[in-house]
Amino acid sequence: DAKTTQPTSMDCAEGRAANLPCNHSTISGNEYVYWYRQIHSQGPQYIIHGLKNNETNEMASLIITEDRKSSTLILPHATLRDTAVYYCIVRVTTDSWGKLQFGAGTQVVVTP
Amino acid sequence: NAGVTQTPKFQVLKTGQSMTLQCAQDMNHNSMYWYRQDPGMGLRLIYYSASEGTTDKGEVPNGYNVSRLNKREFSLRLESAAPSQTSVYFCASILQGARGQPQHFGDGTRLSIL
Repeated sequence: DAKTTQPTSMDCAEGRAANLPCNHSTISGNEYVYWYRQIHSQGPQYIIHGLKNNETNEMASLIITEDRKSSTLILPHATLRDTAVYYCIVRVTTDSWGKLQFGAGTQVVVTP
Repeated sequence: NAGVTQTPKFQVLKTGQSMTLQCAQDMNHNSMYWYRQDPGMGLRLIYYSASEGTTDKGEVPNGYNVSRLNKREFSLRLESAAPSQTSVYFCASILQGARGQPQHFGDGTRLSIL
């Protein structure tokens, strides 16, 4: 699976959009981009994923560049409950192993 | 709509004791995983089960055994607990083979070994 690079930490004001970048320059054509987050002491929570097109769900939007070498997770209106570590992961979904490679992630702190 | 359920949530053991961590999912997923997360670290894969009846080692299998009891349940056993196994253990499941399906995680078992 391709490796990812994320900033170590980010601050965001409550009510503003949070834009979390991720670089995955070695991504293969059949690898999806997944975003998870982990709120302190809880299990990782799935947020969104995509292959080529931009995606949106009730939690966030995912913008993938045309060359697929980077992506941005957008939390449109950050709340205090969005304070968490956010992980960007790329992997093939149909491989027999299915393991997720979690890096260090980005610690996001939403402030009032 | 329970998803992935892990028991117990907390456990304290003495060195050398044994115990089994339980995991069950109700999403009809075929693949299940056990990860451990040490303080300030990412998740590391211990064992996984691609389908009922199969299990395979992950990155850090030493000191652990697993059993895929049926499609729903996947247990992790520590035969002789060591302080180095103090960690938070997460179970996850996925519908493997389906395009783009995410893994779903339980809330973890916090294990301390004295």
